[in-house]
Amino acid sequence: QQQVKQSPQSLIVQKGGISIINCAYENTAFDYFPWYQQFPGKGPALLIAIRPDVSEKKEGRFTISFNKSAKQFSLHIMDSQPGDSATYFCAASKGTYKYIFGTGTRLKVLA
Amino acid sequence: DAGVIQSPRHEVTEMGQEVTLRCKPISGHNSLFWYRQTMMRGLELLIYFNNNVPIDDSGMPEDRFSAKMPNASFSTLKIQPSEPRDSAVYFCASSFPGVRTGELFFGEGSRLTVL
Repeated sequence: QQQVKQSPQSLIVQKGGISIINCAYENTAFDYFPWYQQFPGKGPALLIAIRPDVSEKKEGRFTISFNKSAKQFSLHIMDSQPGDSATYFCAASKGTYKYIFGTGTRLKVLA
Repeated sequence: DAGVIQSPRHEVTEMGQEVTLRCKPISGHNSLFWYRQTMMRGLELLIYFNNNVPIDDSGMPEDRFSAKMPNASFSTLKIQPSEPRDSAVYFCASSFPGVRTGELFFGEGSRLTVL
């Protein structure tokens, strides 16, 4: 019940395309759903986050869609760029410290 | 701000040796986390400190692992004795829980290889 399942494991997208990464959770007590972006040799960095009182949040080319009834949330990267090539982790938490991370999606955007 | 600073960035050691990883959190952050990242298990929380006090160490694998935070600007993660299965990237992260987002600020990690 504490798991966050993330898919796909890897993703290849053409420049300008849409990248979509999905996550599913079981614990309905989770109240914070961030996405972290990690470049090789670096630590993860917060990209965008959502709370369950909204169904969508957009920041620039990045959008989180949240489906509370289905217990799913997804990251959409519009107009994907080669610079977006990184590993993306979804996460969930209740309270602010104990994050459960997904297993990561390695995104490669072809030029 | 310089961000979360970790050292060493890379450590290669032999099985049985003691390993000490160090972390300096962002000034003003009062929560500190140690995570371990491996291909098989992803990101795992090892221990969480709040105001220098260990709050949750349920993720520490076994007694060979220990962590300390003697003051607000320094923490260590020690493995003694080290084993090959401890090979991983160890991340330190800090945050300020008063902020609604609870954002974690990660360091660049310490890559540990135990031969």
